[in-house]
Amino acid sequence: QKEVEQDPGPLSVPEGAIVSLNCTYSNSAFQYFMWYRQYSRKGPELLMYTYSSGNKEDGRFTAQVDKSSKYISLFIRDSQPSDSATYLCAMSDFNTGKLIFGQGTTLQVKP
Amino acid sequence: GAVVSQHPSRVICKSGTSVKIECRSLDFQATTMFWYRQFPKQSLMLMATSNEGSKATYEQGVEKDKFLINHASLTLSTLTVTSAHPEDSSFYICSARQGAQRSQHFGDGTRLSIL
Repeated sequence: QKEVEQDPGPLSVPEGAIVSLNCTYSNSAFQYFMWYRQYSRKGPELLMYTYSSGNKEDGRFTAQVDKSSKYISLFIRDSQPSDSATYLCAMSDFNTGKLIFGQGTTLQVKP
Repeated sequence: GAVVSQHPSRVICKSGTSVKIECRSLDFQATTMFWYRQFPKQSLMLMATSNEGSKATYEQGVEKDKFLINHASLTLSTLTVTSAHPEDSSFYICSARQGAQRSQHFGDGTRLSIL
């Protein structure tokens, strides 16, 4: 079993839709949670960074962490074609500081 | 802020050549930098962790003599792929961590093709 599970998709939605991306994890030591966006042939770009359970909002993006269920989500409101990319969840435990990435979900937002 | 520059973006060279990739943090000091490898449609695989002024820590299965890492300053780390072969062809990405933060900021990667 992988430490971090993420459905690779692809996920295709119409412009304006609400997108829900999810990851599950098995390691209780993970304390820090991140979402990265990666465009083709580019490096990942940090979108959201959270520490505690609950919600964190930044513009059209909302990150949600449920430590009791070991489940994290990223919601994108009013999705745009420019949001088409691969979204990677990543998590880190306090001890090692290494990031463990999910496989990434490919999202396509159609005009 | 938190910009990481990686150079070159693309390399094509013959088998047996050694290739150096640079990773720079442009607007912050990075005590720790990371090197990843990414295969098509797959996630990032950590190769090594590099701390300024000390030897890199390699992940299991990564040959330290094949992938030489140097982190001579707080803003620069280099990865040298020695005597590269076609199986070394991949997308290599560096990242840098700012201070005590757990998030990492990534460069735009280097696409390495060995003929």
